[in-house]
Amino acid sequence: DSGVTQTPKHLITATGQRVTLRCSPRSGDLSVYWYQQSLDQGLQFLIQYYNGEERAKGNILERFSAQQFPDLHSELNLSSLELGDSALYFCASGYTNEQFFGPGTRLTVL
Amino acid sequence: GENVEQHPSTLSVQEGDSAVIKCTYSDSASNYFPWYKQELGKRPQLIIDIRSNVGEKKDQRIAVTLNKTAKHFSLHITETQPEDSAVYFCAAFRYRGGGNKLTFGTGTQLKVEL
Repeated sequence: DSGVTQTPKHLITATGQRVTLRCSPRSGDLSVYWYQQSLDQGLQFLIQYYNGEERAKGNILERFSAQQFPDLHSELNLSSLELGDSALYFCASGYTNEQFFGPGTRLTVL
Repeated sequence: GENVEQHPSTLSVQEGDSAVIKCTYSDSASNYFPWYKQELGKRPQLIIDIRSNVGEKKDQRIAVTLNKTAKHFSLHITETQPEDSAVYFCAAFRYRGGGNKLTFGTGTQLKVEL
């Protein structure tokens, strides 16, 4: 157990819908990172937050957004969902260089 | 941006043999190189890492080597066991003006056969 928690574990929804994924970092970690893992894309970095502020952006679509709250938990919002958004979404947290991953949320868009 | 290439994409070895996975990176300013193991449907787990001021690091049966000049790093697993079967990802990290970005390789599916 990495100490990073994610909810929900599974999410099934329809195209065009909007969902919110939640992540709680390890105690003491200020950074939260979001990743998307599709079968053919490996682990793709989406976005990083540090102590409530956006710090780095990767290949995050405009339909996706994230935020980190004062208690350091983070939410990833995915809107206007498409079939191709079906994937495992991981968050990771860390204090310095190391990143520790949560168990992931499996999103299925039908 | 950073690009990390990983080879091979699949690797099959006999139990007890060694396995080697190789990665190259493009950004010479990258300074931290972790390796993750991911079992099917589970989260990636950090198994070993190396910083750019170190050439080699070992932890029991696993070791990582780094050649900064060649921008190349490798994972070595000795005396492989069936439980080593998983997908292994290398990654390269660069601290960038307040933001940290970890770029992953495409993964190696390791299968240890009895």
